[in-house]
Amino acid sequence: AQSVSQHNHHVILSEAASLELGCNYSYGGTVNLFWYVQYPGQHLQLLLKYFSGDPLVKGIKGFEAEFIKSKFSFNLRKPSVQWSDTAEYFCAVKVDSSYKLIFGSGTRLLVRP
Amino acid sequence: NAGVTQTPKFRILKIGQSMTLQCTQDMNHNYMYWYRQDPGMGLKLIYYSVGAGITDKGEVPNGYNVSRSTTEDFPLRLELAAPSQTSVYFCASSYPGLAGTLGYEQYFGPGTRLTVT
Repeated sequence: AQSVSQHNHHVILSEAASLELGCNYSYGGTVNLFWYVQYPGQHLQLLLKYFSGDPLVKGIKGFEAEFIKSKFSFNLRKPSVQWSDTAEYFCAVKVDSSYKLIFGSGTRLLVRP
Repeated sequence: NAGVTQTPKFRILKIGQSMTLQCTQDMNHNYMYWYRQDPGMGLKLIYYSVGAGITDKGEVPNGYNVSRSTTEDFPLRLELAAPSQTSVYFCASSYPGLAGTLGYEQYFGPGTRLTVT
């Protein structure tokens, strides 16, 4: 069965530090990849998505992610985090013609001012 | 557009009670979904629908029922509430994507926090 792994469950950073959150999926076919963010008390919002083409995708608020097909990975990065980036981040995968998204378990990011 | 709206925001149920979580979207999306979110577990798909009159089970459908009589509404029914159903419930909707592509994204509602005691 397809699955998505986010190995970092909790990450604590100071402001201006660089961020990289890992996401790996298990599926050998065509995938669409997403990163969603959930700020405290709010619903999930799309940060960025990969469908095809350039494997380096840029999203909102200075986030980017790189799709590395050979590693089945879609890691999220930001060069300099802010206190307002404190949130939970979810990686999600859509496989082939499926209607469904498979979510990772999430990474809670705390940015200290 | 209001997007995806959910009611109620919070609810406490006693074991064995029933209730319906409401979900409405005004984006004319064909696809709608119900997820539950448990701490450290991410989101699990309960049920989904690809259009009015069509529903199907997700990963964790036991204890729930859904209906889709209109494009806009996708209510989730809990018939006999159990403590294991304590969770945050999210409704989402999406377009099916353009022909020849796989791409689409899901839009989420604000969630319903349910406690069963």
